[in-house]
Amino acid sequence: ETGVTQTPRHLVMGMTNKKSLKCEQHLGHNAMYWYKQSAKKPLELMFVYNFKEQTENNSVPSRFSPECPNSSHLFLHLHTLQPEDSALYLCASSQETSLEKLFFGSGTQLSVL
Amino acid sequence: QQPVQSPQAVILREGEDAVINCSSSKALYSVHWYRQKHGEAPVFLMILLKGGEQKGHEKISASFNEKKQQSSLYLTASQLSYSGTYFCGTLAWPGGGNKLTFGTGTQLKVEL
Repeated sequence: ETGVTQTPRHLVMGMTNKKSLKCEQHLGHNAMYWYKQSAKKPLELMFVYNFKEQTENNSVPSRFSPECPNSSHLFLHLHTLQPEDSALYLCASSQETSLEKLFFGSGTQLSVL
Repeated sequence: QQPVQSPQAVILREGEDAVINCSSSKALYSVHWYRQKHGEAPVFLMILLKGGEQKGHEKISASFNEKKQQSSLYLTASQLSYSGTYFCGTLAWPGGGNKLTFGTGTQLKVEL
């Protein structure tokens, strides 16, 4: 148990569906992150939030829409995804910045049909 | 640009040693090491800051060669529990901001 909880663990969606991934951290951290992990590829940073403000958007397509209502919760809203978006989506948190260690959740395995 | 890890995969017998390398083409502020077991979250191992320090975590240690922009992770007297994928993440300096960039990982399997 890392203190970062992601739901759902698995998600299958069609290209026309709209779904959301949820992440919650119980560590009192102020920074939260979304990473994408595809087979045979490096962990890819998507978004960074510090104190609820987005500080990084790593050229992510608009079909991925993050939301951070408070320092403990992070969402990733998905719509009109493509099959190549199938991957493991990992949420992480840290005290303040990437200079510190990241605590990862177990991820949501997403399959887009 | 992502750091390059080598080797891509390694198989050890329990008790053997291994070295995993992480190289960057950019000047680095820090190198971060994580281990991920299948189906689990990546777990933090250690951070090394520029300055060429070496750190240890039980029988796992690492060094950071600032001149070469390279970090090495040393696993000694490997145990079955060391199996997993090891990732290095790097923060560029200057200008790295909040953007930790990970390598493709090294799959390590320890067998009896």
